[in-house]
Amino acid sequence: AQKITQTQPGMFVQEKEAVTLDCTYDTSDQSYGLFWYKQPSSGEMIFLIYQGSYDEQNATEGRYSLNFQKARKSANLVISASQLGDSAMYFCAMDNFNKFYFGSGTKLNVKP
Amino acid sequence: NAGVTQTPKFQVLKTGQSMTLQCAQDMNHEYMSWYRQDPGMGLRLIHYSVGAGITDQGEVPNGYNVSRSTTEDFPLRLLSAAPSQTSVYFCASSHGLAGGNYNEQFFGPGTRLTVL
Repeated sequence: AQKITQTQPGMFVQEKEAVTLDCTYDTSDQSYGLFWYKQPSSGEMIFLIYQGSYDEQNATEGRYSLNFQKARKSANLVISASQLGDSAMYFCAMDNFNKFYFGSGTKLNVKP
Repeated sequence: NAGVTQTPKFQVLKTGQSMTLQCAQDMNHEYMSWYRQDPGMGLRLIHYSVGAGITDQGEVPNGYNVSRSTTEDFPLRLLSAAPSQTSVYFCASSHGLAGGNYNEQFFGPGTRLTVL
């Protein structure tokens, strides 16, 4: 069975500080993709970053980076220099041969 | 490009009614999928399709039917609505490459369904 676990239901971070959102996954397959999506209060799903299972370098996209530890099956999202607009729900997801599995999400609140 | 469109945005049904949620994409994506989002549970896959004429079940398929007669459209049918189907429904599409290759999903804006 495929499974994504996000153990932090809610987190607070001070504006301009960095924050790490945790994600672990469970799969017996060697080929998979890992994604992070942001869902603001308006409800749309916004793609942030992708990591392929064969990628040796950690993915980065602007202020977002993905700390990929394959042996530990973890794919944590790091947001640097948090902004007030980063306050939202964040979902980790895994693509395993076109079946996508999502975690339960982490609600991030950025404090001014 | 309009991307992924969903209609309606909001819907209220009575128990036992049937309806179809519409989803269309104009990106020529092979892969399309339907999710439901319930509070505290993230998104769960209902059904998906890897191309016209091909559909398969996801995690929570009971009570829902799908068909894929064209690449562009992937409607979701609720056969006999139940209060447990009150949720936000998202449709998504992607190029459909296998896992391990870049396969970003593009999401529609969602349909908020309430079943009384």
